[in-house]
Amino acid sequence: GAGVSQSPRYKVTKRGQDVALRCDPISGHVSLYWYRQALGQGPEFLTYFNYEAQQDKSGLPNDRFSAERPEGSISTLTIQRTEQRDSAMYRCASSLAGRNEKLFFGSGTQLSVL
Amino acid sequence: KQEVTQIPAALSVPEGENLVLNCSFTDSAIYNLQWFRQDPGKGLTSLLLIQSSQREQTSGRLNASLDKSSGRSTLYIAASQPGDSATYLCAVISSASKIIFGSGTRLSIRP
Repeated sequence: GAGVSQSPRYKVTKRGQDVALRCDPISGHVSLYWYRQALGQGPEFLTYFNYEAQQDKSGLPNDRFSAERPEGSISTLTIQRTEQRDSAMYRCASSLAGRNEKLFFGSGTQLSVL
Repeated sequence: KQEVTQIPAALSVPEGENLVLNCSFTDSAIYNLQWFRQDPGKGLTSLLLIQSSQREQTSGRLNASLDKSSGRSTLYIAASQPGDSATYLCAVISSASKIIFGSGTRLSIRP
């Protein structure tokens, strides 16, 4: 696609429900990153993939958070048993292979847990 | 643990002025540093990427410098315009390929 696509754009859920956030990276981009951004703060690293391999998940807050990228393209970030503190903007970014490539961000999914 | 700091958190200047935004990082073992722009309610747009072997990068009215040894980068904006108003974030890539962001500087250009 032309850019990084994230869906849904907004997600409102009740505490205790599971949610799945989707990211469709730019075609051909090898690396895919998930971030979480609170209002007035910079993005906080969650996890990243090279192709289908999850290279680093050290930023996932706890075991309720998981991510996958089974075919090395689309990725899903899943939050189980959501809590109010999970409310934030979740952003996905992708880049070509290698560390010296620019990062391209999607518009994000705004998650609100009631 | 890499930490990225941006000072000031907010800056307001009159149109036409040249200005400098600052970014500092604690671990100098980085691969590159990127500057991003974020408009309210929008995603992040990459402005400049400086590789660790480079000292600076330029794009139009923007110039970014990198001093790895001192853990500092600056973003210079020449002849500022109201359209430059946004939050500017810097991010570093460390050896683990993890990209760490600063909290950003919220820039306002007064007409």
